[in-house]
This record gives sequence, structure tokens and C-alpha cells, in this order.
Amino acid sequence: SQQGEEDPQALSIQEGENATMNCSYKTSINNLQWYRQNSGRGLVHLILIRSNEREKHSGRLRVTLDTSKKSSSLLITASRAADTASYFCATDVEGGAQKLVFGQGTRLTINP
Amino acid sequence: DAGITQSPRYKITETGRQVTLMCHQTWSHSYMFWYRQDLGHGLRLIYYSAAADITDKGEVPDGYVVSRSKTENFPLTLESATRSQTSVYFCASTGARVLLREAQYFGPGTRLLVL
Repeated sequence: SQQGEEDPQALSIQEGENATMNCSYKTSINNLQWYRQNSGRGLVHLILIRSNEREKHSGRLRVTLDTSKKSSSLLITASRAADTASYFCATDVEGGAQKLVFGQGTRLTINP
Repeated sequence: DAGITQSPRYKITETGRQVTLMCHQTWSHSYMFWYRQDLGHGLRLIYYSAAADITDKGEVPDGYVVSRSKTENFPLTLESATRSQTSVYFCASTGARVLLREAQYFGPGTRLLVL
């Protein structure tokens, strides 16, 4: 079964609104990463949060990590049409050899 | 330009044929990975390599073979293609080391259709 599971599977909001996606995982991790995938393209790394960090910011992105609940959230503020994409969380499992385990993703649609 | 490239970008083949997907990176990253992406399954790791001549199985290795004779190349071979191997294949690399975990960088993908 998947290590990371995202919620919701799909999200549709108006431009300018904030978008929040959640990720839950099952085992101890070194870090958790978020990736974006535009339709028909490869994945692009957005942000990495290590297991000893609780919150991280990058531009309009804010990621939180709660290791006690084994969950993470990605917040995109002031969304734009260009943010329309699929977003994946990926866990770097503790003791693993640099391998990432991906969730099935959240499909985000920003309506103009 | 520097980066990670995959070839071909699109491939149609027939059941039973051998197919090789190429991956090349210019960063001299030690780690390289092959994933497949299917609806309903997200990305699943097929094989990975920690360095030249070091490879290991991922979650779904059956039916695939890899090699890594040079740091920059990591070809994936389907020895006898099956319809269930129709998928989008992504190659990735990272310069992470054992005690320094970093992001992975993905190629643009190869869309493979097995008839």
C-alpha cells in the first residue's frame, strides 16, 4: 500500500483563494517532499521538510509537518491559474536508500 | 543544456518485443531512479542505482532490467514487453548522500504503449 496518501484527491477553487492539500504517511521518515506535475510533464520539486522541522515556507508555499500524527499539509496562498497541476507528497523513509514513496496526488484546478 | 533527459519521449511497440528507455543526466548525480506512473497508482519505483555498477530493485521490478556502466546513464530495458507495461516512465536523479537527503530531479517522461 502507498506510504503517502493525499487528501483531497481533487480540489477546485477560484483564483486568489488559498489551496490546502494534506498528506498522511505510515512509517518514520527522514523528510517529506512535495512535487508538482503539470499535465503531460515531469515532476518538479517544490519543497522539502526534514523530520526535525515543523514548518517551512517558500514563496507562496507553506508546508507543515506533524511527525506525531504522521501528516503534512501544503498550503498555496493567493492561487493563480498557473498553479493548476497535480501535487504529490513523497516520503523519504527512514533507513531507506534515498528512495521516495509517492502518494497518488491531489489534482488542483484554479478557476479564473 | 544541463539536466536530465529521456529518450524516446514516445514509443509504441508490440507484445514480446524488447524495448530500451534511455536516461541521461549531466549533474554527475550518484543516485538515479526509474518510476512508472499509472492512473490509480501514482508513481511506483521500478529500480534505482546508488552509483555506477550498483543497482537495486524497487517496488515493481518484474519484467525490467537496468544497468549503469556510466554515472550519467541509466537505461531501462523491458526484455519482453507486455500490455501491462503500458505506462509513463520517469527517470530521476539526486545528488543526495547518505547523511544529506535532497530532492530528486525528474526527466520529462517516456510514454510507452504496448500493443
